[in-house]
Parts: sequence; structure tokens; C-alpha cells
Amino acid sequence: DTAVSQTPKYLVTQMGNDKSIKCEQNLGHDTMYWYKQDSKKFLKIMFSYNNKELIINETVPNRFSPKSPDKAHLNLHINSLELGDSAVYFCASSLGRITDTQYFGPGTRLTVL
Amino acid sequence: DAKTTQPNSMESNEEEPVHLPCNHSTISGTDYIHWYRQLPSQGPEYVIHGLTSNVNNRMASLAIAEDRKSSTLILHRATLRDAAVYYCILGRYAGNNRKLIWGLGTSLAVNP
Repeated sequence: DTAVSQTPKYLVTQMGNDKSIKCEQNLGHDTMYWYKQDSKKFLKIMFSYNNKELIINETVPNRFSPKSPDKAHLNLHINSLELGDSAVYFCASSLGRITDTQYFGPGTRLTVL
Repeated sequence: DAKTTQPNSMESNEEEPVHLPCNHSTISGTDYIHWYRQLPSQGPEYVIHGLTSNVNNRMASLAIAEDRKSSTLILHRATLRDAAVYYCILGRYAGNNRKLIWGLGTSLAVNP
């Protein structure tokens, strides 16, 4: 009965590869997010979708592309991975707007070698 | 952009109260103050939020200064499970351009 789930939990890959992280929420929320947490624990929002529509797109390289097939899913695809992409990526959801209580997934630790 | 400032780390003893401070001197009139915490190897979880008045819930209390330039998260009786990074966040509610402005957090250690 996990509220926000992400797969995989760990991802180790080589530079230049393309990878995807999947996120699903069963809370019936309208809005989903992707955050990146670097080694200094700073949490930075990357994208937000509301009812499958992109509403927040922070300054993120266009190698990162979110895809929302329906409002319960928000996947993150990353092309041409770089060393600097190594981080923990969190998916989150909220009922409506970003200032509503957000529920976070367990995170995906991405390591680029 | 408005931001929050928190001590890097704090330490407490089990079953004692903990007061986690946050400065947000550039807060605007419509900004809410949110607190989230992140337990080790987990995603952040909501703790509490408020605008002007002090707030209480089952997890904690939030004391907001009269000028709103600072706030304090109060854990009434710390347990070992409360060891986490606590983030003080400004929730900007300006029309359609809403955002959460995350700080760097305070790492709380709880001693048995």
C-alpha cells in the first residue's frame, strides 16, 4: 500500500548511457514532481506535472525529459548521462498545488561511472 | 529570492524537548512556513506548516515570531526515531507562480 513508489531504488550506469526512473502514486493526487538531491543534501525541484500537464520546468538540461502517461505516473528519462548527474532523485505528489503537502517516494540513487 | 537559514546540526537527548530555529528575514507577507524532515535513506516527509499563528499537530509545534522573520520547530519529547534532517521551507503562494523554497536543513542527532 505504498503511497509513492519509485523504481529502481539504485541505478549504476556508465557515462553516455540513457536511463529511466519510474514513479507511481496511488493517492489520487493531481500533481507530481521530480526533485534532485545532491551530495550536500540540497533538494532542488526539477519538474512538476498537474493532470499530465507540465507546470514547472526549472533550469534543467534538456537531456532530462519527464513523461506523464497518466496522472498517477511520472517517469524521468535521462539521455547521455554525465558524472554530474549522480545524485538521489525523489518523486513526490500533492493533491493540487506545490504548496500543498507533498508526499515523497523513497528515492532513486543514481551513480554514473 | 527569499531563503531560510538554519544551523547545520543540533544535538539532543532522548525524551527532552528540541527547539529547531529557522531565520527567514526576507519572508513576504503571503509566504507560508513549512517544515519537512528527512529520515536516513528516506524521502522527506511533511511535519507542519503555518502562516502567522503558532500551530500544533501530533508531530510537533511551530512557533512563529510576531514579525515572521523567524520560526522555531518544537519537538516536545525527542525520540531516537526523530533523528533526521529538518528542513525549513518557505511556501510562496503568489498567484499561479507557487513554489517551495527549500533550505539546507538542520541535521538533528538524538542521544539515548
